[in-house]
Amino acid sequence: QKEVEQNSGPLSVPEGAIASLNCTYSDRVSQSFFWYRQYSGKSPELIMSIYSNGDKEDGRFTAQLNKASQYVSLLIRDSQPSDSATYLCAVNRREGLTGGGNKLTFGTGTQLKVEL
Amino acid sequence: NAGVTQTPKFQVLKTGQSMTLQCAQDMNHNSMYWYRQDPGMGLRLIYYSASEGTTDKGEVPNGYNVSRLNKREFSLRLESAAPSQTSVYFCASSESSQPQHFGDGTRLSIL
Repeated sequence: QKEVEQNSGPLSVPEGAIASLNCTYSDRVSQSFFWYRQYSGKSPELIMSIYSNGDKEDGRFTAQLNKASQYVSLLIRDSQPSDSATYLCAVNRREGLTGGGNKLTFGTGTQLKVEL
Repeated sequence: NAGVTQTPKFQVLKTGQSMTLQCAQDMNHNSMYWYRQDPGMGLRLIYYSASEGTTDKGEVPNGYNVSRLNKREFSLRLESAAPSQTSVYFCASSESSQPQHFGDGTRLSIL
């Protein structure tokens, strides 16, 4: 079992629809969770971070975390063609490393295509 | 505000050559990281530096060495490049357990 699993897609949604991206993780002691967006040929860009169970909203994006089910999701409302990218789920397995920092494990990403 | 700067952006090497990838951040972050990204494999941690003066192995450290030169700079060295090290390399930095911020990447091809 992979430590962080995502459906590779592509996930195709029409413009204006809600895109739902899912991620499961295997380590129950995981503490913090991040969603990154990566356009083709570009670097990952942080979209959302979530640390406690429930929903966290930021503009058109909502992150949802369920630690009991080891599941984190990203909802994108009113999807736009500019949202077409690969979305990476990242999980921090520990509170922190000695001296600071965090050791993230990334999923392989879900490709989202928003169609006109 | 430059954030995380990586040099070079592109590089082609021959098998057996050596090179150093440079990374510098201007966000005063304590922690820095090197990843490689390959198709279908996602981002994999090569080495990290939790704070100035410390470095530790990540998931795929073989064939690489790192140096945390100071708080700003963290370099990755390939001593004897192999075709299997053809990849896109990303440097990232963070403050404590806060989210990591990535550089633009170095696209490295080894023939």
